[in-house]
Amino acid sequence: EMQLVESGGRWIQPGGSLRLSCVPSGFTVNDNYMTWVRQAPGKGLEWVSVIYGGGDTFYADSVKGRFTISRDNSKNSLYLQMNSLRAEDTAVYSCANIAYDVSTGSTGFFDSWGPGTLVTVSS
Amino acid sequence: EIVMTQSPATLSVSPGEGATLSCRASQSVRGNLAWYQQRPGQAPRLLIYGASTRASGIPARFSGSGSGTEFTLTISSLQSEDFAVYYCQQYNNWPPFTFGPGTKVDIK
Repeated sequence: EMQLVESGGRWIQPGGSLRLSCVPSGFTVNDNYMTWVRQAPGKGLEWVSVIYGGGDTFYADSVKGRFTISRDNSKNSLYLQMNSLRAEDTAVYSCANIAYDVSTGSTGFFDSWGPGTLVTVSS
Repeated sequence: EIVMTQSPATLSVSPGEGATLSCRASQSVRGNLAWYQQRPGQAPRLLIYGASTRASGIPARFSGSGSGTEFTLTISSLQSEDFAVYYCQQYNNWPPFTFGPGTKVDIK
């Protein structure tokens, strides 16, 4: 069974930096497309960033230039480096595995999610 | 960016009754549409992908249909554990991945 666990969330002042970690079990980060999704308190799901198996990375406009997704294959871990944090970045951040539909060849849905880690940006 | 909308925002249903949730895309996403269930305090759980394929372990009372811009999630005979928020997500044109705002199914 695929499982993911995030860590690193905490309270931080605006302008600060934070690095979130995501450790999967049951699979390796280097073989998979993986993503970060966030959910502000009482709000819906917002996609944040994706890293392809080959290493390409993409970001939501709201975090582009401030957040960096990466992975360390030797530690089997996924990361989200968050800089210049703003109050509107306050959310639970979850990592997820991006699945592949063998019947259609499509990919892009999220079949395993971690429980998330809370980031609170406030003065 | 493809914008996803969902209706209704809230659906009040009695246990044992059925529920129909709608999701609309601002442009065609073909069949590349997923549905997720999120119970309070829990991570989202994949229910449906490819618009109509149930994910592993998902009960048969959950079914999805549609293609292009109009999609439906149907829950037959709601159980207590089905009262939750449901999100649709397109993965036809990404990045970005886009989610609908969610439909909350609560107890009538």
